[in-house]
Amino acid sequence: GEDVEQSLFLSVREGDSSVINCTYTDSSSTYLYWYKQEPGAGLQLLTYIFSNMDMKQDQRLTVLLNKKDKHLSLRIADTQTGDSAIYFCAESPGGFKTIFGAGTRLFVKA
Amino acid sequence: NAGVTQTPKFRVLKTGQSMTLLCAQDMNHEYMYWYRQDPGMGLRLIHYSVGEGTTAKGEVPDGYNVSRLKKQNFLLGLESAAPSQTSVYFCASSLRGGASYEQYFGPGTRLTVT
Repeated sequence: GEDVEQSLFLSVREGDSSVINCTYTDSSSTYLYWYKQEPGAGLQLLTYIFSNMDMKQDQRLTVLLNKKDKHLSLRIADTQTGDSAIYFCAESPGGFKTIFGAGTRLFVKA
Repeated sequence: NAGVTQTPKFRVLKTGQSMTLLCAQDMNHEYMYWYRQDPGMGLRLIHYSVGEGTTAKGEVPDGYNVSRLKKQNFLLGLESAAPSQTSVYFCASSLRGGASYEQYFGPGTRLTVT
């Protein structure tokens, strides 16, 4: 069935790069997303990648997609304390349906 | 624009009590959704609506009812709350359905059922 898996925690030092990994199961997904949830707030779309792309860069964010392994990663360069949040990987297997992972809590140590 | 708002932010219910969660959006979006978020799990879709006057079941609809009498509002009802419904509930909306349309989320309602 459809499933999105990601590790639950990641801790990095301020200024380092963070890499959050995700695996998904539905190879037909056309869009893959990264959402960010800050404390007490709803999810906010951070970035997305089309399934026909291998990489997408947006300022400090780099998304890598390995379709063969169904692996998605989000790299945050020069991680700041303001990046501390929960990051959700999600896929869209068709229509409006979106399948979310459980979220990776990123801790940034000053 | 306020975006997507949810009322209330927190609520504690006793088993068997009922309540309604209100979601409102001011972006003229057609699609609206209710999700629940539980520890260690991704968001799961409870019910959704593709337009005013329509509702449909999502992944985990049991124990919940919904109504969309006005385009901007989507209500989630719990008729007889159970401890298993303790969760954080998120409402979302999108302009249309389809993977290319971003979902905008409200801040969530934290519900505890004792």
